[in-house]
Amino acid sequence: EDKVVQSPLSLVVHEGDTVTLNCSYEVTNFRSLLWYKQEKKAPTFLFMLTSSGIEKKSGRLSSILDKKELFSILNITATQTGDSAIYLCAVPLVGGGADGLTFGKGTHLIIQP
Amino acid sequence: SQTIHQWPATLVQPVGSPLSLECTVEGTSNPNLYWYRQAAGRGLQLLFYSIGIGQISSEVPQNLSASRPQDRQFILSSKKLLLSDSGFYLCAWTRDRLTDTQYFGPGTRLTVL
Repeated sequence: EDKVVQSPLSLVVHEGDTVTLNCSYEVTNFRSLLWYKQEKKAPTFLFMLTSSGIEKKSGRLSSILDKKELFSILNITATQTGDSAIYLCAVPLVGGGADGLTFGKGTHLIIQP
Repeated sequence: SQTIHQWPATLVQPVGSPLSLECTVEGTSNPNLYWYRQAAGRGLQLLFYSIGIGQISSEVPQNLSASRPQDRQFILSSKKLLLSDSGFYLCAWTRDRLTDTQYFGPGTRLTVL
């Protein structure tokens, strides 16, 4: 059975700190790994990673995939209170994206001013 | 650009009552559509997906059902709600079977009392 495990489940840091969120996965046929940010409502897409060792970057957020060790990390530098959210990691189910995504439970990140 | 709508935004229903949640997508044709549920303390769980009108696949046995009466409309229903049906229901879409990135609607928060 496909599985996605995120750690930590919750994290409280101060504004300006750097955080690293972890996601490990076990899937039968790996195709991609996706990161989402969920504030009060719908998850919003951050990154999709398909190749090992290639960093995806958007502003203060970056992510990298290690296909050998089956994990990904999401880094946020110089955190701001607006970064407070649940960060979700997901992989497509065995049949590919059309068959849905398997999500981890998420990391609840709280940035204190 | 594409937009996904869900309604209602919130719903409080008694146990045993019926349910109908609606999702529509604008700006694309023949999308793949998905229903997820996010319960307290759990990750997003895929409930149903559809690759076309009248084509529904179920991932989790439950008292819920889904229908796709039109190309860009996806409906989640129940004849009799259970307490365990409470949660945050999210609709998502992708362009096609080769696309892993899913985009989510604003969600419906359902409380069953």
